[in-house]
Amino acid sequence: KAGVTQTPRYLIKTRGQQVTLSCSPISGHRSVSWYQQTPGQGLQFLFEYFSETQRNKGNFPGRFSGRQFSNSRSEMNVSTLELGDSALYLCASSFGTGTTTLHFGNGTRLTVT
Amino acid sequence: QQQVKQSPQSLIVQKGGISIINCAYENTAFDYFPWYQQFPGKGPALLIAIRPDVSEKKEGRFTISFNKSAKQFSLHIMDSQPGDSATYFCAASSSRLTFGEGTQLTVNP
Repeated sequence: KAGVTQTPRYLIKTRGQQVTLSCSPISGHRSVSWYQQTPGQGLQFLFEYFSETQRNKGNFPGRFSGRQFSNSRSEMNVSTLELGDSALYLCASSFGTGTTTLHFGNGTRLTVT
Repeated sequence: QQQVKQSPQSLIVQKGGISIINCAYENTAFDYFPWYQQFPGKGPALLIAIRPDVSEKKEGRFTISFNKSAKQFSLHIMDSQPGDSATYFCAASSSRLTFGEGTQLTVNP
C-alpha cells in the first residue's frame, strides 16, 4: 500500500504570495490532518478533514485554509505569505477521526523569502 | 490545558545504554498517548502507544511507562543502537493529537 504522498517536496515563495500544498492519503483513509513543524514551535495542529468536512481547527490565522475532496485527497492553502510561515508542513491520514493512528507523509518544506 | 511538556530537549547515549524521555500533561481528558519517531527528511512515524487503563506497554526494546495520577508518561529505549538516533515526540489526544516539543536522541557507537 502506498503511503501518504505530499507534493511538492520543496517550495520557495516570496512574502505576500499564496501557496497550495497537496496531500494524497493512504488508500481507504478518510481523515486527513495537517501540521506545521518548526524548530521553535514543534508540531502544531492546523486542521483535520473527514469526509470533506473540517472536523477540527488549530489556532492559526484565517490565512491558513484547507479542503478535502471526495476521493479524500486534501489541499491546504496559505495566502499572503509571511516570513514566519517558513516551515515543514506535514499531512497525516487515518482511517477514522479522533484518536486513531496517524500516518504522516514526508512533508512539504516551504521557504518564504 | 492542551500542552504536553517533553524533556530532555536532547539526549546522548552510548550504544547499549538506556534512553529515557519524559512527558507530562495537564488535560485529564487525554485518552491516547502515542510516541512518534522522526528521522531527518522524513515524517514522524508511530513507534508505540498506550491508553490510560494500563501502566506499561512493551514492544521489543521500546517501553512506555504511564503514571495516571502524576499525569506523566515516559519512553524507555533499552539497548539503544546508533540506528535509534532520531527525534522522538510524545503526544496526547482526546480529539486531536497534541505533540510535545521533541527530543533529539543521539546514540554513539
